[in-house]
Amino acid sequence: ILNVEQSPQSLHVQEGDSTNFTCSFPSSNFYALHWYRWETAKSPEALFVMTLNGDEKKKGRISATLNTKEGYSYLYIKGSQPEDSATYLCACHGGSQGNLIFGKGTKLSVKP
Amino acid sequence: NAGVTQTPKFQVLKTGQSMTLQCAQDMNHEYMSWYRQDPGMGLRLIHYSVGAGITDQGEVPNGYNVSRSTTEDFPLRLLSAAPSQTSVYFCASSFTASSPYEQYFGPGTRLTVT
Repeated sequence: ILNVEQSPQSLHVQEGDSTNFTCSFPSSNFYALHWYRWETAKSPEALFVMTLNGDEKKKGRISATLNTKEGYSYLYIKGSQPEDSATYLCACHGGSQGNLIFGKGTKLSVKP
Repeated sequence: NAGVTQTPKFQVLKTGQSMTLQCAQDMNHEYMSWYRQDPGMGLRLIHYSVGAGITDQGEVPNGYNVSRSTTEDFPLRLLSAAPSQTSVYFCASSFTASSPYEQYFGPGTRLTVT
């Protein structure tokens, strides 16, 4: 079974700070990497699905990069806002079956 | 579209009782799955289905059954509830299993087994 690691486990930043966190995964048999945003009392919502080495995706102030050869992805948030407070999950496909293996998430708290 | 719906939102069971968690999607997605979320454990896959009539086990299938008689519905059955099954359960779906499409999650069912 794939092992997907996320760091840090939690992060506290001030409004306006930029921040980033890491997702590590086995580089062999890589198929796709997903990032999800999960607000308290809601369900996870997809941010990005990335497949190509060197891929970079952006949605507003949030962006992600992917390095499949070394097995990591970074998620960046520029100018954090209190509404960015959530748990950010990454997940890796174990193959072409569509099953995702999730990391434990990074919990971000943004103080006004 | 309603997306992915789950019922009930909350449920309390006694040890040994059985129940079915309902999940439905109206997006004509081939792939559906059930996860459980426990503190410090992240989301773990219980069972999944790549199409009507096809189901398979995930990482933590013991104590659960599923069926997929239609594309829309994917119920999860707890056969004899145990306190270890106290968790939040999420159903998710995606367009197909053969390409890396994003998954859409339902609102979750919070289950307590006493």
